[in-house]
Amino acid sequence: ILNVEQSPQSLHVQEGDSTNFTCSFPSSNFYALHWYRWETAKSPEALFVMTLNGDEKKKGRISATLNTKEGYSYLYIKGSQPEDSATYLCARNTGNQFYFGTGTSLTVIP
Amino acid sequence: NAGVTQTPKFQVLKTGQSMTLQCAQDMNHEYMSWYRQDPGMGLRLIHYSVGAGITDQGEVPNGYNVSRSTTEDFPLRLLSAAPSQTSVYFCASSYVTGTGSYGYTFGSGTRLTVV
Repeated sequence: ILNVEQSPQSLHVQEGDSTNFTCSFPSSNFYALHWYRWETAKSPEALFVMTLNGDEKKKGRISATLNTKEGYSYLYIKGSQPEDSATYLCARNTGNQFYFGTGTSLTVIP
Repeated sequence: NAGVTQTPKFQVLKTGQSMTLQCAQDMNHEYMSWYRQDPGMGLRLIHYSVGAGITDQGEVPNGYNVSRSTTEDFPLRLLSAAPSQTSVYFCASSYVTGTGSYGYTFGSGTRLTVV
């Protein structure tokens, strides 16, 4: 009931392609949805914090949307670059606790 | 500004040994937490703290203790290490709200192996 699901589990795209992936979560007791970017051998870094239904956030070529009523968020990457290769995590906040998905591993092929 | 500092980076323990993983942050974050990362599983919350003197259990607290005597430090203690505790441990902090409206800053992780 608390599970955060991410799909796909992994993704390979060509440089220049645009891509998107999904985070699904229970819509009840929702406070916030976080997206993190996790490069190999580094720590996760916060990309977006989203709290309101219909929220859209953007940082450069990366953007995210949030639908709290149906319990999903999309992360979009426009014109993927090799440096975008990473695992993208989402996490749902239920007050003082965060529940993370297992991530989408993105590989951008030059 | 160092952010979140975890020590050690690597540790090998024998079953039954105890140890403390250290976590310190210099951002005056009220909220601190410990996660473990296991293959095929998302980051799972072990314990968290919303301020000095206040701690609470997360999703997988068994076998671990924490304390929060200062805002800066949040050590994680393994009381009697077991092979099931082999994992990568991350400490993370943020400004506290009950709504999670601030992103985490993560430490660099501690890779623990229990043999």
